[in-house]
Amino acid sequence: ILNVEQSPQSLHVQEGDSTNFTCSFPSSNFYALHWYRWETAKSPEALFVMTLNGDEKKKGRISATLNTKEGYSYLYIKGSQPEDSATYLCAPHDGNQFYFGTGTSLTVIP
Amino acid sequence: EAGVTQFPSHSVIEKGQTVTLRCDPISGHDNLYWYRRVMGKEIKFLLHFVKESKQDESGMPNNRFLAERTGGTYSTLKVQPAELEDSGVYFCASSHWRRGQETQYFGPGTRLLVL
Repeated sequence: ILNVEQSPQSLHVQEGDSTNFTCSFPSSNFYALHWYRWETAKSPEALFVMTLNGDEKKKGRISATLNTKEGYSYLYIKGSQPEDSATYLCAPHDGNQFYFGTGTSLTVIP
Repeated sequence: EAGVTQFPSHSVIEKGQTVTLRCDPISGHDNLYWYRRVMGKEIKFLLHFVKESKQDESGMPNNRFLAERTGGTYSTLKVQPAELEDSGVYFCASSHWRRGQETQYFGPGTRLLVL
């Protein structure tokens, strides 16, 4: 079993603010890390798949970095918009299965 | 291209009854995963199919849960008999074969309530 921690648990920011949150996981047995965006009453939507130490991925205003040696990944949102409000999940894969964190719930206030 | 679909969207049953959940993955996806989210907790892995074979079922909570994937297409997850603690949202996801490094596409989930 792989212990995944996401912080903060929840976050409220003003529209236009930039924000970031963290996913921590054991650095041993790392195979890949996935980030998902999950809106209430919808299904999780894949954002990024990251595999290599030092990976940086970007999709629009959202980007992510990966440090497999120390066991963490950061997700950044630049210039938050109300439509960014969602829960952001990370899910490391240890070569056998995915382990999901409890997510960071982001609310962007107009 | 149609996404992952799940049926039913909601199910309310009494303790001791049987419920069968269905997942139709994206056409051509060999990998099919079942997950469960109990209220307030994280999404937890239940099992993984590659085509019709169970690759990993280490997350199945007990023998009241039975998953099948006949012909490597759709999958069913049966809970028999259902208990109160089985309540939660059951998600299905599918992907092409590239273990762990493939993008998973999630279905909308089935919300199960056991009374």
